[in-house]
Amino acid sequence: QKEVEQDPGPLSVPEGAIVSLNCTYSNSAFQYFMWYRQYSRKGPELLMYTYSSGNKEDGRFTAQVDKSSKYISLFIRDSQPSDSATYLCAATGTASKLTFGTGTRLQVTL
Amino acid sequence: GAGVSQSPSNKVTEKGKDVELRCDPISGHTALYWYRQSLGQGLEFLIYFQGNSAPDKSGLPSDRFSAERTGGSVSTLTIQRTQQEDSAVYLCASSLLRTDNSPLHFGNGTRLTVT
Repeated sequence: QKEVEQDPGPLSVPEGAIVSLNCTYSNSAFQYFMWYRQYSRKGPELLMYTYSSGNKEDGRFTAQVDKSSKYISLFIRDSQPSDSATYLCAATGTASKLTFGTGTRLQVTL
Repeated sequence: GAGVSQSPSNKVTEKGKDVELRCDPISGHTALYWYRQSLGQGLEFLIYFQGNSAPDKSGLPSDRFSAERTGGSVSTLTIQRTQQEDSAVYLCASSLLRTDNSPLHFGNGTRLTVT
């Protein structure tokens, strides 16, 4: 079992929809959680990071972490075609390397 | 520099040949990471450098893989006697400090194809 599990998709939504992307993890030592966005043939870029449980909002993006259920979520409001990309969740603990999920491919259609 | 720079962007090599992949991190970043991204496998950690400390090589898949970081800046990932299963995108990332909330900045990767 991978330490961070993520549905690979693809996920297709119409423009303007609310998108929910999710990951689960198994390592209780994980305390920092991140979401990266990766466009085709580009490197991942950091979107959001959160520490421990809670919510963090940045514009149209909201990251949620529920440590009790080991569940990580990213919500995208008013989705745009430019949001079409692969979204990678990642987690790390106090002395460990960043562990990534496999990524979810999102397609926002006109 | 503007960001993490990797070269070459694409590399096609024959099975059994050696390859070298280069990474120029962001100036001033002390931590440097190599990851491998295969289709459907996500990002797989390979190796990490932090300042003058001994590198964390725990992710290197075999002794055919090695990496160096000269002068605390540029890094080279070497794959000897390449195999077809080595085909992947090799991503380099750097961060300001090796702390758990210091974000990683990735390059665009080197796409390696072993024929």
